[in-house]
Amino acid sequence: GQQLNQSPQSMFIQEGEDVSMNCTSSSIFNTWLWYKQDPGEGPVLLIALYKAGELTSNGRLTAQFGITRKDSFLNISASIPSDVGIYFCAGHALYNTDKLIFGTGTRLQVFP
Amino acid sequence: NAGVMQNPRHLVRRRGQEARLRCSPMKGHSHVYWYRQLPEEGLKFMVYLQKENIIDESGMPKERFSAEFPKEGPSILRIQQVVRGDSAAYFCASSIGTGAIQPQHFGDGTRLSIL
Repeated sequence: GQQLNQSPQSMFIQEGEDVSMNCTSSSIFNTWLWYKQDPGEGPVLLIALYKAGELTSNGRLTAQFGITRKDSFLNISASIPSDVGIYFCAGHALYNTDKLIFGTGTRLQVFP
Repeated sequence: NAGVMQNPRHLVRRRGQEARLRCSPMKGHSHVYWYRQLPEEGLKFMVYLQKENIIDESGMPKERFSAEFPKEGPSILRIQQVVRGDSAAYFCASSIGTGAIQPQHFGDGTRLSIL
């Protein structure tokens, strides 16, 4: 099945640093969503984006829906230890809004 | 807790047995989705159901797998004659409606292990 390409695969940063990750698709997407998954739990929705060019914030998190509708970015500012986890992008393809297509994940590790 | 509830959280089966995974959607949500996640991978769509109807089962294997969402009660994902390759985490999500503007909210999953 189709998957989104997400990068980087993993990040090791120090507490207080900013983080950037992105997600790209070969096809146009209607929506972009960013989820965080902690070990042993389900994905938790962080930010949802619905329009090309849209920039949305949720606390220290900011995400953008790329103009081409084929990519999205997530930034985390001033990282803290509880930011540790796996971040997944997901989206609805243009002509199939039933199912979410997930990225491959970015594993974030924050050192004090 | 008004979130998506899945049970059991962990399920161990021997090869050839049946596995039944249950999902109760969030209150007011009538759309249920099942996804499968292998270690170190993203979630892969399996099936989308509304009450008493399967809308999209394009991601579900044709054999041994079935899903239902009855008028009353939780959604059930059933795997018959399980094999080692069925070992994975199975997640259920629900939404209030379909389409791009209705975000899906996930349960904490059922981790299925096949001996």
